[in-house]
Amino acid sequence: DAGVTQSPTHLIKTRGQQVTLRCSPKSGHDTVSWYQQALGQGPQFIFQYYEEEERQRGNFPDRFSGHQFPNYSSELNVNALLLGDSALYLCASSSGLALETQYFGPGTRLLVL
Amino acid sequence: AQKVTQAQTEISVVEKEDVTLDCVYETRDTTYYLFWYKQPPSGELVFLIRRNSFDEQNEISGRYSWNFQKSTSSFNFTITASQVVDSAVYFCALRLNSGNTPLVFGKGTRLSVIA
Repeated sequence: DAGVTQSPTHLIKTRGQQVTLRCSPKSGHDTVSWYQQALGQGPQFIFQYYEEEERQRGNFPDRFSGHQFPNYSSELNVNALLLGDSALYLCASSSGLALETQYFGPGTRLLVL
Repeated sequence: AQKVTQAQTEISVVEKEDVTLDCVYETRDTTYYLFWYKQPPSGELVFLIRRNSFDEQNEISGRYSWNFQKSTSSFNFTITASQVVDSAVYFCALRLNSGNTPLVFGKGTRLSVIA
């Protein structure tokens, strides 16, 4: 049973560039949530996708956008990168919009120079 | 708004010692879920436990135990006879039982178990 997978594992970008991160949910899951975890902090909710639509959004600017595909996989896009976007980006999957437990992937470490 | 506080930033113990990680939460809602996750150096958050606000029974799973006290808004986590493999950052999180609300995490407690 495959767990949540994310790619790439590490990424280095420069300010102003754009980045796309990818996530495949755990088998049987159809909901994907994205979190940003800055160094030494707890994860912060970015947004959640279900049925290919953004259902909930945290306090993040419009530079952060996403997409969910028919196979439930998801992308997180960040435009006009800032130094402060350097973080571990975690994807979590769950089943439906019910209050099921979220299972996390290994994350993508993004460094913005 | 919801808030989770993990006052202990870092804890160091010697192997085989017992250790308790504290978690205090704030919410005005009466129904919610509480979680504990473990984050080893690899970065992946590993789910440990979920607790419904209606269920205040303590739970034990092997060397792990959880003490949920609604009266003090606390959900503490104890590791008995700690092992080096327990070294990680542990996060407590809260999620409301209404709609598709996201997890709200504490800042985590870094546990180092020394051989």
